[in-house]
Amino acid sequence: QQQVKQSPQSLIVQKGGISIINCAYENTAFDYFPWYQQFPGKGPALLIAIRPDVSEKKEGRFTISFNKSAKQFSLHIMDSQPGDSATYFCAASMSEETSGSRLTFGEGTQLTVNP
Amino acid sequence: NAGVTQTPKFRILKIGQSMTLQCAQDMNHNYMYWYRQDPGMGLKLIYYSVGAGITDKGEVPNGYNVSRSTTEDFPLRLELAAPSQTSVYFCASSQPPGGLNYGYTFGSGTRLTVV
Repeated sequence: QQQVKQSPQSLIVQKGGISIINCAYENTAFDYFPWYQQFPGKGPALLIAIRPDVSEKKEGRFTISFNKSAKQFSLHIMDSQPGDSATYFCAASMSEETSGSRLTFGEGTQLTVNP
Repeated sequence: NAGVTQTPKFRILKIGQSMTLQCAQDMNHNYMYWYRQDPGMGLKLIYYSVGAGITDKGEVPNGYNVSRSTTEDFPLRLELAAPSQTSVYFCASSQPPGGLNYGYTFGSGTRLTVV
């Protein structure tokens, strides 16, 4: 099964708070887990990514936590800002060069950060 | 660099009409993809290509066709448009998988309405 399940569908956070978005996957062959950020009218843009050999990756205010045994990973946005308001997608893929490393996306989370 | 360029940005089609969504990238990426985005559904893969002359079906290929005659261009053809094809279409490109900063570069999308 190639599904990636994402929650919540929408999230409202106050400025300065922590935003947490969760994803779960089924295919244990997945070995690449990116998060994409999308602003209205724009295409998704790569935000941060992790491979399963580490349990956490941090880039500035954004952190991915990865739990291989539970087949779950999450995005944490620390000190959330109004400019972070966007739709966030988790995704997963297998690094098979012959098959194009196709990304399977979650359903998306619409994040609103109130000032 | 322009990155991934999609044209047109908006289009209204009548049921049964045909059209081609254009996608061009100037990053010399071998891998290219077409996704459609529907509200609350994430992004679904329509077709992908791992190089010129090579294409393959994704998750939702019915009603669409693609070609890849050059590395730069990956047009998506809609034949006999149906209301179910009303969506936002995104083209993306990437290097072969490998390296933590590997990721897709998306175009800005084509919003298609079939009436």
